[in-house]
Amino acid sequence: DTGVSQNPRHKITKRGQNVTFRCDPISEHNRLYWYRQTLGQGPEFLTYFQNEAQLEKSRLLSDRFSAERPKGSFSTLEIQRTEQGDSAMYLCASSSQGLFWNEQFFGPGTRLTVL
Amino acid sequence: RKEVEQDPGPFNVPEGATVAFNCTYSNSASQSFFWYRQDCRKEPKLLMSVYSSGNEDGRFTAQLNRASQYISLLIRDSKLSDSATHLCVFGVSARQLTFGSGTQLTVLP
Repeated sequence: DTGVSQNPRHKITKRGQNVTFRCDPISEHNRLYWYRQTLGQGPEFLTYFQNEAQLEKSRLLSDRFSAERPKGSFSTLEIQRTEQGDSAMYLCASSSQGLFWNEQFFGPGTRLTVL
Repeated sequence: RKEVEQDPGPFNVPEGATVAFNCTYSNSASQSFFWYRQDCRKEPKLLMSVYSSGNEDGRFTAQLNRASQYISLLIRDSKLSDSATHLCVFGVSARQLTFGSGTQLTVLP
């Protein structure tokens, strides 16, 4: 399967714990995005990488959230001191670099439940 | 005002029906427009881009009205497989996309 992959698919954690999610983009894509989606809402943009550089961050990305893409390939999203409000689906997407816009391909997501 | 507004539905239509969705956006700097579909518990997938002059892809027709700041999606001859949440999406830049909450469509046999 050459699509975007995410691990784990599900994560249940207790409030206050730290969690880390991984995203492996399509191999030739140099752009990588993180989104969060809650029930009944569309995905909300969190952050964007071009290669290893994090170029944009949403105001939704509080200090407890950090994302990395150290070698310009896979990315990790860490949430520290999780809160119940962090419960959501975390989606990763990737795209190639074009003049303006290229289709973003989404992974299956990591569903986080904070108890 | 929300950045993107969509009628959440649900739209329940019989097979073969024609159904239309509208979506309004507030950011006049938006430059790119799309419709994505999302099946239950699945990831969003691009359905079609929306071009200024309007565009058609088989049973699907998309329109953009910049003056009134809305886009539309028309689905003709609905199939059972069209059942999904349809998300309107716009982008101010090539990087950051803003998604609507989606319109739920169920095509009934």
